[in-house]
Amino acid sequence: NAGVTQTPKFQVLKTGQSMTLQCAQDMNHEYMSWYRQDPGMGLRLIHYSVGAGITDQGEVPNGYNVSRSTTEDFPLRLLSAAPSQTSVYFCASSPRPSGANVLTFGAGSRLTVL
Amino acid sequence: QQQVKQSPQSLIVQKGGISIINCAYENTAFDYFPWYQQFPGKGPALLIAIRPDVSEKKEGRFTISFNKSAKQFSLHIMDSQPGDSATYFCAASREDNYGQNFVFGPGTRLSVLP
Repeated sequence: NAGVTQTPKFQVLKTGQSMTLQCAQDMNHEYMSWYRQDPGMGLRLIHYSVGAGITDQGEVPNGYNVSRSTTEDFPLRLLSAAPSQTSVYFCASSPRPSGANVLTFGAGSRLTVL
Repeated sequence: QQQVKQSPQSLIVQKGGISIINCAYENTAFDYFPWYQQFPGKGPALLIAIRPDVSEKKEGRFTISFNKSAKQFSLHIMDSQPGDSATYFCAASREDNYGQNFVFGPGTRLSVLP
């Protein structure tokens, strides 16, 4: 099993450009989420999904869009990149939306916005 | 607004020593408290977790101590090894209308000297 796969691993954007960070999991997990990791801030939840067609906002959703058309995929879209979005992004999934679940993280995508 | 506080920010321990990382939370609705370990260039991975109805949980060299009345919990790493050098995140979660979402502490960078 591949687990949670994120692409690309590294990306450099110019201010105002748009891009999509891809996330795919092959564990048939219902719950998927996106976090950003910044020094001294820990992991902050951007958006999450409890199943195909269902998404909701997390702590820091501004400037990001998500959709969940299949169980496996949960892409994160940056509509108009800003330097404040320079960060490491992690996708994570768990078997069910509720209960004491284990989050399985991807390896991360490092984004730099110039 | 940080719902989970974590200290220290960084920790240096000699091989064989005890590493202690502390966390505190505010929301009494939290009902699951995991610790995640992250090596450089990798995504976080679950290390150990505890429910608030238990005061202590031990797995090998890793122990969580939980104080419900003080809303505090800590990670103890006994006989610390250089291979334990990583960033550690405490987290707390609760079930809301859409399932379970995690709030992470800012992280502690542990260095174990040989």
